[in-house]
Amino acid sequence: DVKVTQSSRYLVKRTGEKVFLECVQDMDHENMFWYRQDPGLGLRLIYFSYDVKMKEKGDIPEGYSVSREKKERFSLILESASTNQTSMYLCASVRGRATDIQYFGAGTRLSVL
Amino acid sequence: KQEVTQIPAALSVPEGENLVLNCSFTDSAIYNLQWFRQDPGKGLTSLLLIQSSQREQTSGRLNASLDKSSGRSTLYIAASQPGDSATYLCAVKDNNDMRFGAGTRLTVKP
Repeated sequence: DVKVTQSSRYLVKRTGEKVFLECVQDMDHENMFWYRQDPGLGLRLIYFSYDVKMKEKGDIPEGYSVSREKKERFSLILESASTNQTSMYLCASVRGRATDIQYFGAGTRLSVL
Repeated sequence: KQEVTQIPAALSVPEGENLVLNCSFTDSAIYNLQWFRQDPGKGLTSLLLIQSSQREQTSGRLNASLDKSSGRSTLYIAASQPGDSATYLCAVKDNNDMRFGAGTRLTVKP
C-alpha cells in the first residue's frame, strides 16, 4: 500500500515563527502536493511539484514556500507564521499519469497563536 | 476555471437506507473523477476513481457513476451503516490540476 506520512499531526506555533511541515511518500511518486483545508472553503492547492527541485505555485502560494530536494520528500515552509495560516494541511502524492489515484497523508493541524 | 459542487452539504439517514451523494463540475474536459472519504481530523482516503472513458466503478457497497457530458457524478451507498458516517468529497482531475468539492457530511444513525 502507498504510504504518505506527514511528520506531525498537531503543531502549535507563535506568530512570526518559521514553520516546517514535512511529507514523505514511499512509492516513488513523481508528483507531490500541499493543500490546506478550511471549513467552508474546502481543499485549496498551495504548491505542487512534478519532479525533484521543481515546484509550481497553486492557488494560494502567498506566505508559503516549498522544498523538494529528494523525490520522496516534499516540505512546506511558512517563512513567518501568521494567525490566518491556522489550518489543516494535507500532503498528497500521485505516481505521474493523469489517470492515477491521488494518495493523502493524515494531515497536520497547525495552530498559530 | 473548473468548479466542483456537492449537494447536499449534509445528510442524515437511518441505518440500512440506500443513499446517493451528488457531485457536479463545470468543465467536462476531465481526465478522471475521484471520490474520497474523510473522517473528522483525518486525511482523505480514496474510495473510487473513475476514468473519463468509464461510466461507473464499484467497490463493495459503493457505486460511483460518471456522466461527463452533463458534468455529474453520483456516489451510491447501499445498506448504509453507522461506520459510513464521514465526509465524502469528490475531486476532478483536468489538464491543470485536481479540484475538490466542499464535501457532503454523512451521518448514519443506528
